[in-house]
Amino acid sequence: GQQLNQSPQSMFIQEGEDVSMNCTSSSIFNTWLWYKQDPGEGPVLLIALYKAGELTSNGRLTAQFGITRKDSFLNISASIPSDVGIYFCAGRGRNSGYALNFGKGTSLLVTP
Amino acid sequence: KAGVTQTPRYLIKTRGQQVTLSCSPISGHRSVSWYQQTPGQGLQFLFEYFSETQRNKGNFPGRFSGRQFSNSRSEMNVSTLELGDSALYLCASIPTGRGLAGPGGEQFFGPGTRLTVL
Repeated sequence: GQQLNQSPQSMFIQEGEDVSMNCTSSSIFNTWLWYKQDPGEGPVLLIALYKAGELTSNGRLTAQFGITRKDSFLNISASIPSDVGIYFCAGRGRNSGYALNFGKGTSLLVTP
Repeated sequence: KAGVTQTPRYLIKTRGQQVTLSCSPISGHRSVSWYQQTPGQGLQFLFEYFSETQRNKGNFPGRFSGRQFSNSRSEMNVSTLELGDSALYLCASIPTGRGLAGPGGEQFFGPGTRLTVL
């Protein structure tokens, strides 16, 4: 499968700051998903996007499906210590069934 | 509603052995996919099953195989283990059951099985 380009690789921020991370692909995707993974656990689905240009929020999280269908971004507003973890983007192509291509993750650290 | 169950959570094997991992999806979900997660390669797709049929397979050697049972539970098997097979193996449950099919793509992961090959 294709590896997505996710950036930044890591972020170290203070509580209350906003965070932005993004993901790009060389291929067009029909679905973009954003996950958060805590140590020793499986990824937890945060937001799912299905249409180019779609902007979806989940509490303090907002994600957008890029209009080229080759990128997506995730914003976290007013970060809190429990936002700590690794965030992954994942994309699903038209002809790949349910196989997801993942980014390498953004490691987020939040200091009180 | 119970989440995705994976057993065992931790496993230690030696090179050359084989291993079987189990996954029970969310009740009513008929599709299951498997991923391997390593620090170097990240999350990589292994295979996907729907109604006991493998629908898609990732770029892994034939030592990696899987199957799905009529109750949607799935197993994956790795034969002739190598050191590089040490990883977190994740199973994802996909809502493709009757009345559950959404736009597609949402996958709900279990906690994973941590396999260590010595």
